[in-house]
Amino acid sequence: GENVEQHPSTLSVQEGDSAVIKCTYSDSASNYFPWYKQELGKRPQLIIDIRSNVGEKKDQRIAVTLNKTAKHFSLHITETQPEDSAVYFCAASRRDGYNKLIFGAGTRLAVHP
Amino acid sequence: DAGVIQSPRHEVTEMGQEVTLRCKPISGHDYLFWYRQTMMRGLELLIYFNNNVPIDDSGMPEDRFSAKMPNASFSTLKIQPSEPRDSAVYFCASSSELKVGELFFGEGSRLTVL
Repeated sequence: GENVEQHPSTLSVQEGDSAVIKCTYSDSASNYFPWYKQELGKRPQLIIDIRSNVGEKKDQRIAVTLNKTAKHFSLHITETQPEDSAVYFCAASRRDGYNKLIFGAGTRLAVHP
Repeated sequence: DAGVIQSPRHEVTEMGQEVTLRCKPISGHDYLFWYRQTMMRGLELLIYFNNNVPIDDSGMPEDRFSAKMPNASFSTLKIQPSEPRDSAVYFCASSSELKVGELFFGEGSRLTVL
């Protein structure tokens, strides 16, 4: 089955700096890679996703890149703000009729003013 | 739509007791998922349903756990008997066939087994 590894487990940055979180996956058939943000005590919420026919996707200050050959994908947050502080989860799934989303272990991002 | 609705939000019980968690998915969604979140193991997929049919229950820890989806608007996750190691936040999530992979999570049920 699919296995998703995520690094780092914790990340501390100064406000305004960039943050990068990296994930690798094992199942070469996976073709959908979403990122979820979970604030303290809240539910995970989708912030951006990428599909295997795209190498990069941007949405304002966040971007995701995908390297299918190496089976890794990354989340980039630029100009970080204190409200970006949260746990971020990457995930992977395959779209062959089974909608099974497997999550990485999460990265706790702290943005210091 | 009110989103995915879970109950109870918090449950404290004693070891050996039966626990039932409930979920109402977003109307029209085809998929329903049960995840368990702990500090040690992160977000674990327990089971998921497509059109009320269980598709993959390989993540269910053991026979003490069972899940049902009798209709499109209701699902339960039952633990019998409960053990302290079952303490976790249990999330229910739903998604639509039209946008596979975009999960909408409920607020979670925090279970504490003493």
